[in-house]
Amino acid sequence: AQKVTQAQTEISVVEKEDVTLDCVYETRDTTYYLFWYKQPPSGELVFLIRRNSFDEQNEISGRYSWNFQKSTSSFNFTITASQVVDSAVYFCALIWAGTASKLTFGTGTRLQVTL
Amino acid sequence: GAGVSQSPSNKVTEKGKDVELRCDPISGHTALYWYRQSLGQGLEFLIYFQGNSAPDKSGLPSDRFSAERTGGSVSTLTIQRTQQEDSAVYLCASSLGREGWGETQYFGPGTRLLVL
Repeated sequence: AQKVTQAQTEISVVEKEDVTLDCVYETRDTTYYLFWYKQPPSGELVFLIRRNSFDEQNEISGRYSWNFQKSTSSFNFTITASQVVDSAVYFCALIWAGTASKLTFGTGTRLQVTL
Repeated sequence: GAGVSQSPSNKVTEKGKDVELRCDPISGHTALYWYRQSLGQGLEFLIYFQGNSAPDKSGLPSDRFSAERTGGSVSTLTIQRTQQEDSAVYLCASSLGREGWGETQYFGPGTRLLVL
């Protein structure tokens, strides 16, 4: 079966703490794309990152970083020095070569950042 | 605006009525997608349009659901004889449509549908 698992349903942190959101996927395909999206309380899905399965370089964008490990089928997302504005639901998703352009989403992790 | 737009933002209807949801993709994007987000099922793919090709309807949950795309731009998702289980947020997304597959999809704000 091909699926995306986000085992953390909800995480609460205090502002300025670092937090890592886990994403594990299953696929028999060797070619796929991985994504992270943010869904703030307003409801709109906001694109954060896309990563090709052949590119295992980690990526950093400001306070955000992503760790892609093909050996463990994981694509984890870390927010450094979290802020209240980071409070949202975060979704990991995949597109496999055999599924055209259909995004398969995980169930999401709700992140609550408090003062 | 520059993003994907959807209308209406909210829709309340009675069971058995038909509803139409509209999506306006980002200008220049030839690929368009519909998804549904509900508490029980999470985010689910419904249908995908790419240019003039036949749409991928593999995610439509029943024959009460249909979608069309006129002139390669605006799309309408129609739900006939609505049921309470159709209550969800319907999300539209678009992408450039130049890479064949795996492109980044940009989402609209969604239409929240409530079937009473």
